[in-house]
Amino acid sequence: SQKIEQNSEALNIQEGKTATLTCNYTNYSPAYLQWYRQDPGRGPVFLLLIRENEKEKRKERLKVTFDTTLKQSLFHITASQPADSATYLCAPSGGNSGNTPLVFGKGTRLSVIA
Amino acid sequence: NAGVTQTPKFQVLKTGQSMTLQCAQDMNHEYMSWYRQDPGMGLRLIHYSVGAGITDQGEVPNGYNVSRSTTEDFPLRLLSAAPSQTSVYFCASRGTSGAIYEQYFGPGTRLTVT
Repeated sequence: SQKIEQNSEALNIQEGKTATLTCNYTNYSPAYLQWYRQDPGRGPVFLLLIRENEKEKRKERLKVTFDTTLKQSLFHITASQPADSATYLCAPSGGNSGNTPLVFGKGTRLSVIA
Repeated sequence: NAGVTQTPKFQVLKTGQSMTLQCAQDMNHEYMSWYRQDPGMGLRLIHYSVGAGITDQGEVPNGYNVSRSTTEDFPLRLLSAAPSQTSVYFCASRGTSGAIYEQYFGPGTRLTVT
């Protein structure tokens, strides 16, 4: 069956450093992969989408890579700030259309310490 | 745009009671879905719909019913609540055409079943 693993349940880093979160998936081949941010008591918020033919995608201080051979995506936050503290969820797609259900990893809780 | 709205925000039920969690979106999205989120379990897909009149089961559908009579609304019904259904419930919607399948989440309903 399809499996999504976000390798760290929690990650603590010092302000100003780069945070790197990992998402591994098995038993399927997603056409794209999304990353979301969730703050306590709130719904997840979309951050980035990367397609299978893209190696890297950037948005401000965020960078996502997608290695379909390793079946892995890395999510980087550079120059991290305490405001980046949240849970980050990855969601590899089950197919290549907007009708495909989105299944999420359990998330990594990031704490940026000032 | 209100985005995705959910009511109620909080609800306490006794075992065996029934209730409907409401979800509405004003973005004309075809795709809507329901998730539950439990500590340590991440977001799990309950049911989803790719358009009015069409629904399908997700990962954890037992104990829940859905219907989709309009594009805007996607209610989730608990026919006979059980303590195992204590959770935070999120509704989400997204468009199904174009290049980005960003999913928009509601603020959640926190349900306790005693």
